[in-house]
Amino acid sequence: QVQQVQSGAEVRKPGASVKVSCKVSGYTLTELSMHWVRRSPGKGLEWMGGFDPEDGETIYAQKFQGRVTMTEDTSIDTAYMELSSLRSEDTAVYYCASFHGPIRFSFEYWGQGTLVTVSS
Amino acid sequence: SFDLTQPPSVSVSPGQTATITCSGDKFDDEYAFWYQQKPGQSPVLVIYQDTKRPSGIPERFSGSNSGNTATLTISGTLAMDEADYYCQAWDRSTVVFGGGTKLTVL
Repeated sequence: QVQQVQSGAEVRKPGASVKVSCKVSGYTLTELSMHWVRRSPGKGLEWMGGFDPEDGETIYAQKFQGRVTMTEDTSIDTAYMELSSLRSEDTAVYYCASFHGPIRFSFEYWGQGTLVTVSS
Repeated sequence: SFDLTQPPSVSVSPGQTATITCSGDKFDDEYAFWYQQKPGQSPVLVIYQDTKRPSGIPERFSGSNSGNTATLTISGTLAMDEADYYCQAWDRSTVVFGGGTKLTVL
């Protein structure tokens, strides 16, 4: 059974950066395609980016390109998402979401979410 | 990338059938996936590859995909099905979510 445990809530000032972690168990990180999705207050789910197993690359949503970096430390099965130049509109719950296998698939596994609050 | 359009809200009486649609011009080439999200919880996959139910999802949840519209159907809706529902598809290497539909059971 796959579990994805995320780091705790964060508060940042506008212009700062935040780094959220997602620790995987049940599979190794190399067996999963890890993505990041956020939900802002009053809005829907928004895909930020992730690993495409068919192209073998990490792809970022155009909206976040230049501001987001997704990395993995496979030695500890932990994925990271860093978002920079934060603004109030980045206040949201951030989720890591993943699937297993070599093709583009649905997100079977989700972390519990990390609340990031951006406020001066 | 393309858009996926869902109705913002759907209301249904307990025991009746709820139908949530998702329109997008990629659905003749791509699968639809559906997620349920309740307040304060992470999303849960309820339908994958248009029509398949993951293990543990009740049989009252079903999906279809015809032309440009994918549909999530909940038969015999229960109060516990009240939630936000999102469709999702792939556009080559990127992921697209619909805007979400709030299902109210009243």
